Amino acid sequence: KAGVTQTPRYLIKTRGQQVTLSCSPISGHRSVSWYQQTPGQGLQFLFEYFSETQRNKGNFPGRFSGRQFSNSRSEMNVSTLELGDSALYLCASSLNVRENEQFFGPGTRLTVL
Amino acid sequence: SQQGEEDPQALSIQEGENATMNCSYKTSINNLQWYRQNSGRGLVHLILIRSNEREKHSGRLRVTLDTSKKSSSLLITASRAADTASYFCATDGKNNDMRFGAGTRLTVKP
Repeated sequence: KAGVTQTPRYLIKTRGQQVTLSCSPISGHRSVSWYQQTPGQGLQFLFEYFSETQRNKGNFPGRFSGRQFSNSRSEMNVSTLELGDSALYLCASSLNVRENEQFFGPGTRLTVL
Repeated sequence: SQQGEEDPQALSIQEGENATMNCSYKTSINNLQWYRQNSGRGLVHLILIRSNEREKHSGRLRVTLDTSKKSSSLLITASRAADTASYFCATDGKNNDMRFGAGTRLTVKP
């Protein structure tokens, strides 16, 4: 099976812009979670989607949003980018809900200038 | 916010030695997972231990969980240079929140 894929792998944006990141889970996996990783805050949970519904949400402002499609692919969007949004954004998929083993993608490295 | 705290923050050992990393957490959990990350890449799942389990093994990895002390340990036996990476514990809490620790940076010298 192909692993979790994330596109794009690298992205450079400027403050105030918005960005959309994409995640394709492993075939058959229905749960997708998103995480932000920064040197200062470490790995932080953004949200989890299961069967097109947001199941859980971390402590992030409303500028961070996401969705999941019927084929389990997921996108996350960050509006009005801030310098502090520069991070590695990781997507993980699991077979059912997140309590099962998660498989991570390689991440999208976002740089906000 | 982070829940788990790994200790030590950094560990340097010689190939063939054992490496032990610890993780402490604050709230009740459904399970605890250990992950490895190489140089800012995606995480690789190593092992999941449920709250009603006390010990699990997978190859050279041994994980223990003590829910009374809210702590877990990861032991890597007979370490190899390829084990050089950052290791994170992640707790899946009763509130369905998943939190990662800051990680332990392991360096295995050949």
